Amino acid sequence: DTEVTQTPKHLVMGMTNKKSLKCEQHMGHRAMYWYKQKAKKPPELMFVYSYEKLSINESVPSRFSPECPNSSLLNLHLHALQPEDSALYLCASSQEVTATGDGYTFGSGTRLTVV
Amino acid sequence: QKEVEQNSGPLSVPEGAIASLNCTYSDRVSQSFFWYRQYSGKSPELIMSIYSNGDKEDGRFTAQLNKASQYVSLLIRDSQPSDSATYLCAVNKKGNFNKFYFGSGTKLNVKP
Repeated sequence: DTEVTQTPKHLVMGMTNKKSLKCEQHMGHRAMYWYKQKAKKPPELMFVYSYEKLSINESVPSRFSPECPNSSLLNLHLHALQPEDSALYLCASSQEVTATGDGYTFGSGTRLTVV
Repeated sequence: QKEVEQNSGPLSVPEGAIASLNCTYSDRVSQSFFWYRQYSGKSPELIMSIYSNGDKEDGRFTAQLNKASQYVSLLIRDSQPSDSATYLCAVNKKGNFNKFYFGSGTKLNVKP
């Protein structure tokens, strides 16, 4: 299995809703990432988990809450989002914490629309 | 100054030609360099990685790294319409390998 699986593929939520994005990989990768990508922009790093511990939080608003239940799963809990949070949310994983060799493997993303 | 700079394009080349995509980076401690291809509405896909000065070839793709001049390039030989996409350059740094810095991407159009 060489994939990173993200669910759902599309999500429409209201500003008062609570939802979660899920990401799963079975490649034995020990680093997992959440990125946000707006149209025609590069991916922006949000969070990094290394060996199931949060190692990087790029000053992301608290309405985004990451969780890493185990080495294969990564969640992003969403609450009280704003319309400007609408974007493609990408999960990624890499072979080792150092990631010098393989770069990231990205999931197919969740297209989020906040109404 | 941005960590990674790319010409946004679009870069238009005819089918069968060589497409040359360039990327410069600002920090000399940058360690590893990656090229991703992203089709519209899809997630980025890793094409090439390079860590040492010189060329690295993989099929129709060649990555070139010049650390003294702080640039990395991607050559696509025999370009095909299916190569039309946005190409993202990414770098990471010694001591903080988990954090990748992405350029804004170059849009490539290969015309039949």
